[in-house]
Amino acid sequence: DIVMTQTPLSLSVTPGQPASISCKSSQSLLHSDGKTYLYWYLQKPGQSPQLLIYEVSNRFSGVPDRFSGSGSGTDFTLKISRVEAEDVGVYYCMQSIQLPRTFGGGTKVEIK
Amino acid sequence: QVQLVQSGAEVKKPGASVKVSCKASGYTFTGYYMHWVRQAPGQGLEWMGWINPNSGGTNYAQKFQGRVTMTRDTSISTAYMELSRLRSDDTAVYYCARDKYSGSYYPGYWGQGTLVTVSS
Repeated sequence: DIVMTQTPLSLSVTPGQPASISCKSSQSLLHSDGKTYLYWYLQKPGQSPQLLIYEVSNRFSGVPDRFSGSGSGTDFTLKISRVEAEDVGVYYCMQSIQLPRTFGGGTKVEIK
Repeated sequence: QVQLVQSGAEVKKPGASVKVSCKASGYTFTGYYMHWVRQAPGQGLEWMGWINPNSGGTNYAQKFQGRVTMTRDTSISTAYMELSRLRSDDTAVYYCARDKYSGSYYPGYWGQGTLVTVSS
């Protein structure tokens, strides 16, 4: 199975400041079709996970443009340009290049 | 709009089975794979498998092979996940999640979750 490793485990951010989360995969997520199968989800407190970013850098419908994803191969980053109170929760990366789908351990984002 | 409504919380004894339902609306049920993902208390997300509602074909994570069965009833646009021989460490919230788009093969829309508690 592909192992997804996220850092840091938690992040405390002042509103309006940026935040960055790293995700590393144990194998390349670049497929022969040219796509890279890396996703980001946010689970807000008490809610189901929600898709934020698909295929590394594409924002899902309705996701604010302060969220951006980047990376390639095995190293990926989710950035929030200016953190807002509604961004608190746990962020997960996930790969879909191989079965079983696997998630990172999560990064908890809190507001200072 | 896409809606996935799951069945209510369950309490089961060790060794028993549980069957969780996921009723879909707002789209063509047979057009999108349905994933099942679970989350133990205070823990991360764990993918259990998927079902192709059109064919009934399934793919299960190795960890759950032999204990999980995913089925569907297309007449009522509902997917099911049954887990047998329950253990205390199966206590978790179980989510169904639909493919983002047909053929995407990753979760895009999530149900509200069903808490399954395994306790003697």
